[in-house]
Amino acid sequence: DAGVIQSPRHEVTEMGQEVTLRCKPISGHNSLFWYRQTMMRGLELLIYFNNNVPIDDSGMPEDRFSAKMPNASFSTLKIQPSEPRDSAVYFCASSLDRVGSYTFGSGTRLTVV
Amino acid sequence: GESVGLHLPTLSVQEGDNSIINCAYSNSASDYFIWYKQESGKGPQFIIDIRSNMDKRQGQRVTVLLNKTVKHLSLQIAATQPGDSAVYFCAERLEGFKTIFGAGTRLFVKA
Repeated sequence: DAGVIQSPRHEVTEMGQEVTLRCKPISGHNSLFWYRQTMMRGLELLIYFNNNVPIDDSGMPEDRFSAKMPNASFSTLKIQPSEPRDSAVYFCASSLDRVGSYTFGSGTRLTVV
Repeated sequence: GESVGLHLPTLSVQEGDNSIINCAYSNSASDYFIWYKQESGKGPQFIIDIRSNMDKRQGQRVTVLLNKTVKHLSLQIAATQPGDSAVYFCAERLEGFKTIFGAGTRLFVKA
């Protein structure tokens, strides 16, 4: 398995633009997590899906953030409109169940200018 | 991956020495703990885990110790190598599913 695949690796966008981050979890994993990593706040859980259903989105910072998981092999995290303070590395992780360790992707480094 | 940088606790050890990285967790109800390693430009990578009904667990060159009385977790790396240089995160699973990460410790291994 190629692991958790995220795209793009890097994204630079202007303030106000829409940004879409993509994630392909490990085949067979039924839980998917989106995290954000910054120097100030470390790793923060944004949202968690189990069997494609959003379970907890309490970590999503604002209504500008939304996430979807239309099927077991794909998830998106969208920011609209983007702001400079959204600049961070966004990680997707998956696990076989809710209780095990996670496998992380390589992340998307987002820069909003 | 970009880790928490300038304000991370840092541990510097000589190659071949043992390393001990400590972590205090917050929730006494947490039932599962994991250590992750994050190298520059990569996502966190699983190292070892331990459940709350255990005090110690050993892997290859790594040992995790859990002290529930004081809510303390430690990662011991034997015979530290230059490839062990990274940021190490402890993580605790709260009731249910949510896993919370600590701030991380940066390990430097001097050759």
